[in-house]
Amino acid sequence: DGGITQSPKYLFRKEGQNVTLSCEQNLNHDAMYWYRQDPGQGLRLIYYSQIVNDFQKGDIAEGYSVSREKKESFPLTVTSAQKNPTAFYLCASSTRHEQFFGPGTRLTVL
Amino acid sequence: LAKTTQPISMDSYEGQEVNITCSHNNIATNDYITWYQQFPSQGPRFIIQGYKTKVTNEVASLFIPADRKSSTLSLPRVSLSDTAVYYCLVGDMYRNAGNMLTFGGGTRLMVKP
Repeated sequence: DGGITQSPKYLFRKEGQNVTLSCEQNLNHDAMYWYRQDPGQGLRLIYYSQIVNDFQKGDIAEGYSVSREKKESFPLTVTSAQKNPTAFYLCASSTRHEQFFGPGTRLTVL
Repeated sequence: LAKTTQPISMDSYEGQEVNITCSHNNIATNDYITWYQQFPSQGPRFIIQGYKTKVTNEVASLFIPADRKSSTLSLPRVSLSDTAVYYCLVGDMYRNAGNMLTFGGGTRLMVKP
């Protein structure tokens, strides 16, 4: 089964803690992305990576960090510097014509 | 990046045809037009993509006029399960860069019985 997996589905974090969201794909895509979605809003790009060991900031990168050590994996760390991290986080990978999305992780800060 | 404008929401009834129009006045020569569908608490999924004229697949049609400054997604005979948010995106797919695809607020389609 080819696709994108994200884990966990739900995540709770205390204020001041860093937390890492997992994203794995077995589609052999070079490009991967992280988006944030707030209730009733569209998607906003956090980071993207077009190739292993390289990544670029998107529109709202402050308070987030990523790594791309393997083609299949693009984890996102939400740091304590992110002031309002409660949101729905979506990971995607793409061909030249289409982005494929994972099921998402809902992060709640307690 | 080409900015897109689409209606915030639309209502329809089962069995009707729904047309959602997206404006993209500053579309570039290499830009394609892509539509995605998103259900609550799920990731968006690809519906259809086109460059000019008309494209049709098993779920929708995409109409693009000659000037390409707008496009219309047409959903034939909608059902309750078509209730979702629909996003219009414009970008240069061949660059394959993340910031080429900007998701706006989308159009919330509500299909009623």
